[in-house]
Amino acid sequence: GQNIDQPTEMTATEGAIVQINCTYQTSGFNGLFWYQQHAGEAPTFLSYNVLDGLEEKGRFSSFLSRSKGYSYLLLKELQMKDSASYLCAVMDSNYQLIWGAGTKLIIKP
Amino acid sequence: GAVVSQHPSWVICKSGTSVKIECRSLDFQATTMFWYRQFPKQSLMLMATSNEGSKATYEQGVEKDKFLINHASLTLSTLTVTSAHPEDSSFYICSARDGGGDTEAFFGQGTRLTVV
Repeated sequence: GQNIDQPTEMTATEGAIVQINCTYQTSGFNGLFWYQQHAGEAPTFLSYNVLDGLEEKGRFSSFLSRSKGYSYLLLKELQMKDSASYLCAVMDSNYQLIWGAGTKLIIKP
Repeated sequence: GAVVSQHPSWVICKSGTSVKIECRSLDFQATTMFWYRQFPKQSLMLMATSNEGSKATYEQGVEKDKFLINHASLTLSTLTVTSAHPEDSSFYICSARDGGGDTEAFFGQGTRLTVV
């Protein structure tokens, strides 16, 4: 079966760095996405990785290893507004999105 | 978690025809549904937000007459791409939310539309 695993909840301190991991087993691979979702709001796109390596966008970076079925989202210089759920999703060979359950990130002052 | 089913998963249509995409919430009542479009290697773009029983709210730059959204029941919303053209080829995804406030939105599987 197809499966995406990510931690349910993480806690970090304002100003620190946090890494949210995602492992996947899917039928084919056409890219991995990370989304941010604040409570009560629509999810917003953060990153897309289709090749191995690190993609950096300001305070956010995303890493992919296709051979390991593994990705992580790295958030630096954490701010209180980064408190949200972070969703990992993989597009399979049929171009369907397989979603993880999301990681709720709690930022403490 | 809650399940949102989107159909079809992929569709190929001829230029000038219309295509309807359905989004269903299977185990909850979706008071709000969101429709997104995503071009290859680009971000997911919100097209419109629809609340059951009322007209959809479209994002700037999205043509209301071209992308018809109907949210007639608490479990079903449809997006109809009218008079499709090759430039409408994209990945369309819906998400649904029950209640308001702090409730999460759950995504459908997405629909890949190819207009030839």
